Amino acid sequence: DGGITQSPKYLFRKEGQNVTLSCEQNLNHDAMYWYRQDPGQGLRLIYYSQIVNDFQKGDIAEGYSVSREKKESFPLTVTSAQKNPTAFYLCASIGWGALLGTEAFFGQGTRLTVV
Amino acid sequence: GEDVEQSLFLSVREGDSSVINCTYTDSSSTYLYWYKQEPGAGLQLLTYIFSNMDMKQDQRLTVLLNKKDKHLSLRIADTQTGDSAIYFCAEKKEGYQKVTFGTGTKLQVIP
Repeated sequence: DGGITQSPKYLFRKEGQNVTLSCEQNLNHDAMYWYRQDPGQGLRLIYYSQIVNDFQKGDIAEGYSVSREKKESFPLTVTSAQKNPTAFYLCASIGWGALLGTEAFFGQGTRLTVV
Repeated sequence: GEDVEQSLFLSVREGDSSVINCTYTDSSSTYLYWYKQEPGAGLQLLTYIFSNMDMKQDQRLTVLLNKKDKHLSLRIADTQTGDSAIYFCAEKKEGYQKVTFGTGTKLQVIP
C-alpha cells in the first residue's frame, strides 16, 4: 500500500544535540512538507520541497535543516540552534489522490521531547 | 495572499449538530478541504469541495461554501464522541501544489 511513513514515533533529545526525523513516501509525489504543531496551535510550516535537490524555508525554518536527495525521502534535522524544539512534527506529501486532483497525505507524526 | 482562519475551539453535546467555520482570503482557491486529526496522529482527508460548488453532502457531513464571503463551513450531524478531534480547513489554487492549512478547530463532544 502506498503511504507516507515517519519515524520514530517518539524521540527524546538532550539539550545541545542534533536529531534527525525521518519521512519516507512511496506515493511518487514531488512535493513534501514539514510542519510543527504545538499544543493548542495549528500547523506551522518549517520547510518544503517541490522537487528533488531543491527546498525552501517556510515560516519557522530557524534551527532546522532539511535535504531532498531522493524523491521518496525528506529528512528533517532539528539542530541545537532550535531553542524550543519540543513539539509534534508532521510530514506531508502533496500530489494526486484517489478522491480528487490534489490532496495532502500526512504521516503519523513524531513527538520530539527535549530532556 | 494566502491566509486561512478558524476558531480554535468548539464544544457540543452528543447528538447535536456541530458547525465548524473557516474563512480564507485567496479568491483564486479552487479546492477547499476539511482534514481531521485525532490525538497523536496525522491528518486525514475528511471531505472536500470544489470552488464552483455551493454545497456538498456526504453522510453526516455537509460542506457549505460562500464564495462571496470566502467562508467555508463543515456541519457534522448527530455528533458522536468519536468525532472529537481537531478539524483543519485547507485551500489550494489551480496549478499549484501548495496546500495552505487553517489553524485548526478543536471539537469537544460532551456525552
